[in-house]
Amino acid sequence: NAGVTQTPKFRILKIGQSMTLQCTQDMNHNYMYWYRQDPGMGLKLIYYSVGAGITDKGEVPNGYNVSRSTTEDFPLRLELAAPSQTSVYFCASSLTGFNQPQHFGDGTRLSIL
Amino acid sequence: RKEVEQDPGPFNVPEGATVAFNCTYSNSASQSFFWYRQDCRKEPKLLMSVYSSGNEDGRFTAQLNRASQYISLLIRDSKLSDSATYLCVVILNTGNQFYFGTGTSLTVIP
Repeated sequence: NAGVTQTPKFRILKIGQSMTLQCTQDMNHNYMYWYRQDPGMGLKLIYYSVGAGITDKGEVPNGYNVSRSTTEDFPLRLELAAPSQTSVYFCASSLTGFNQPQHFGDGTRLSIL
Repeated sequence: RKEVEQDPGPFNVPEGATVAFNCTYSNSASQSFFWYRQDCRKEPKLLMSVYSSGNEDGRFTAQLNRASQYISLLIRDSKLSDSATYLCVVILNTGNQFYFGTGTSLTVIP
């Protein structure tokens, strides 16, 4: 199993551009999460999903959108990129609930210039 | 008050030392707990779950103190490879809320 795979690993965007961060998992996990982590800071939950077709906002959803059309995929969309969205983005998954360990992808480093 | 609090450190300890970190939580309805480690510029990885009776995995011991509302992580015989940031996670018994701590930084010095 590959676990949680994120693409791309690095990206530089110009202000106002849009992009989609891809996340896929092959563990048949129901729950998936998107976090951002700014330098020297903790993880902040952007969005999460408890299953295909179901998504919900986390702590910092503004400026982002998600979809969950399949169990495997949970893409994160940035519309109108802003410098404040420069961060490292982590996708994670857990089997059937929040009370289970989360498996993380190795992150996408995004810079908005 | 924050839901979860950790001393950010840094903790600088010599090789072979024993070091302990605490993670305090504010909600008594907290039910499940985990410790993760995060290496510099890497993703968090599960280190261990924290059970009510305490649990040990090699040099690592995790304990829960419900009365004082904290969990702890003890590392014995520290290795250079233990240098990382250690994150705690607290999950409420409602099952639909969880909180990551901001992490404690450990550097093991030769």
